[in-house]
Amino acid sequence: DGGITQSPKYLFRKEGQNVTLSCEQNLNHDAMYWYRQDPGQGLRLIYYSQIVNDFQKGDIAEGYSVSREKKESFPLTVTSAQKNPTAFYLCASSIDRTGRQPQHFGDGTRLSIL
Amino acid sequence: KQEVTQIPAALSVPEGENLVLNCSFTDSAIYNLQWFRQDPGKGLTSLLLIQSSQREQTSGRLNASLDKSSGRSTLYIAASQPGDSATYLCAARTDSWGKLQFGAGTQVVVTP
Repeated sequence: DGGITQSPKYLFRKEGQNVTLSCEQNLNHDAMYWYRQDPGQGLRLIYYSQIVNDFQKGDIAEGYSVSREKKESFPLTVTSAQKNPTAFYLCASSIDRTGRQPQHFGDGTRLSIL
Repeated sequence: KQEVTQIPAALSVPEGENLVLNCSFTDSAIYNLQWFRQDPGKGLTSLLLIQSSQREQTSGRLNASLDKSSGRSTLYIAASQPGDSATYLCAARTDSWGKLQFGAGTQVVVTP
């Protein structure tokens, strides 16, 4: 089955620790995105990538980092510089880079502070 | 900066009633508008996407309209069922590469 797989489903971070959220897609999509969702709020864009080895900051990139070494993978690292990391993180992908096609989402990773 | 608003934040309807969900945006210069469904603790499921040149899109019991001049989109769900209970989000595409600006969503409960 084609789709977007996010892991783990739940993640806990200790003070001063970096954690990495995995996002893998087998849809052969060019564009990939990371969003953060807080309770009662819409999604906010963290980073996006339109092509391998290229990525751009979104609206709330501070305290986060990404890489795009393979077309199918777009991992997100939440660094210790992100002081309020508790949120629901969603990865999305789209077949084209122009935004004319819909974005499709994974099932998310819920990150909490220990 | 584009702002997307969904009012009300929550609504409850009896089964069988038609659902009308509203989405408004402040800048009419959008490329397209997408409607999503989100179940508790889950990711988003794409429902409909309306390009800026279109007035509406339909899929089964779902119909979405777009009026750029007034900054509004409406999602209609005919003959609601308990399985339609979820949060519905709209998102406007604001850039040439595909950036989406999301509303906070409308939480829908359909009672049997």
